[in-house]
Amino acid sequence: AQKVTQTQTSISVMEKTTVTMDCVYETQDSSYFLFWYKQTASGEIVFLIRQDSYKKENATVGHYSLNFQKPKSSIGLIITATQIEDSAVYFCAMREGWTQVVGQLTFGSGTRLQVYA
Amino acid sequence: AQTIHQWPVAEIKAVGSPLSLGCTIKGKSSPNLYWYWQATGGTLQQLFYSITVGQVESVVQLNLSASRPKDDQFILSTEKLLLSHSGFYLCAWSPGQGYSGNTLYFGEGSRLIVV
Repeated sequence: AQKVTQTQTSISVMEKTTVTMDCVYETQDSSYFLFWYKQTASGEIVFLIRQDSYKKENATVGHYSLNFQKPKSSIGLIITATQIEDSAVYFCAMREGWTQVVGQLTFGSGTRLQVYA
Repeated sequence: AQTIHQWPVAEIKAVGSPLSLGCTIKGKSSPNLYWYWQATGGTLQQLFYSITVGQVESVVQLNLSASRPKDDQFILSTEKLLLSHSGFYLCAWSPGQGYSGNTLYFGEGSRLIVV
């Protein structure tokens, strides 16, 4: 069964610094997809970045990048030059390549990021 | 650009009363549509998905039902609310047609408090 674990409950950083959020996953599939989402204070869930398991290069979008360590089943999210508005809850999620349930993402428990001035 | 809109934004309902939540997606034809539920402070759990009009699959049983009356509309409902139905309901979409790795995009959510 697939499982996604985020061990960091809460992180607090000063703005303009770099933060890394950890995520480890478990799957029996050789093909899978990893996602990071951000949940804002209003509750809205925003897609940030993804990594497909067959891609060796780490994904980068704006000031978000991933540290994909496949042998360790780890997909860390790195946010550089953090801003106050990056304060939110960040969810790691995974979908196995051959799931019979369309669109089923397994989410981690989330990491709350607080960025202060 | 695609937009997804959910309604209502928030509801306070009595136990045993009916509920209807909806979402509409614009700018994308034949999307896959999903309902997710999030308990306060919790993670997200998929409830239903639909890959075409009139077809809805249930993922978990929570005494809720869903329908897709139009290509761009997804409705979540129940005739009798339970206290356990309280939480945050999110509608999501992804491009249809095959590729299992398509990204899901979420609406702004509907917050439900059952009293």
